[in-house]
Amino acid sequence: DIQLTQSPSSLSASVGDRVTITCRATQGIDYYLAWYLQKPGKAPNLLIYAASTLQSGVPSRFSGSGSGTEFTLTISSLQPEDFATYYCQQLKSFPFTFGPGTKVDVK
Amino acid sequence: QVQLQQWGAGLLRPSETLSLTCGVNGGSFSDHYWMFVRQSPGEGLEWIGEINHSGTTNYNPSLKSRVTISMDTSKSQFSLKLTSVTVADTAVYYCARIPSHGSLYGMDVWGQGTTVTVSS
Repeated sequence: DIQLTQSPSSLSASVGDRVTITCRATQGIDYYLAWYLQKPGKAPNLLIYAASTLQSGVPSRFSGSGSGTEFTLTISSLQPEDFATYYCQQLKSFPFTFGPGTKVDVK
Repeated sequence: QVQLQQWGAGLLRPSETLSLTCGVNGGSFSDHYWMFVRQSPGEGLEWIGEINHSGTTNYNPSLKSRVTISMDTSKSQFSLKLTSVTVADTAVYYCARIPSHGSLYGMDVWGQGTTVTVSS
C-alpha cells in the first residue's frame, strides 16, 4: 500500500494567516492526489483534485501543488469557516489511502 | 445536483453482518465509480472498496475477505456488506462517488455518513 504522511499533524492559526500543509507519499503517485476538508460530524469535502485543480465551488484562497511524492495545500488567507481537519488522499493505486490529517484550530 | 442518501443498521453484535445501502439521487448512476469509506472514532479515513458502472469491484486487501459491494442499477443504489464484524469495525461509514472521468478527479460527492457501533 502507498502510505501518506502529513505535516504538521496540527497547527494553530488566526484569521487572515497563510497556512501550508504538506503531504508525502511513500511511492510516486504522479498527480493522483486529492485534498479534503472535514468538519466534526460531517463528511469530507473535496477541495482539490489532480494535485492542483480546484474543485468547482471551492474558494480560490485554496491552492494545491506538487507531483510525484510531495504535495502542498495552501490557504492564502484563513477564514473562520476553514478551521477544520484536512486530509490528503492518493488515488493512483488500490487501495486508495488517506493521510492521517492535519487539524487547523484557532490560535 | 447529485446527492447520496445512505441507510443501514447502526448497532450490531460481534459476528453479525453490517449492511449499508446508498441511493443516488439527481444524477446518472451508470457512468461513475461508487465506493465506501469508513472512519473509526478518533481515527482517520479508510477506503473500503468500490464498484464501477460495469459491476467490477475492488476491495481494500485488509477487508477483502469480509466485504462485498454490489449495485442495483434499476434503483440507482449500491450496497456494502461486511461480515463477521468485531468491535474494531465500529466507525462512521460513508458512501462516495468518483466521477466517470476516473480517480484523478477525487471523491466529489459523499453521503451523510452512518454511525455503526459493534457491541456485545
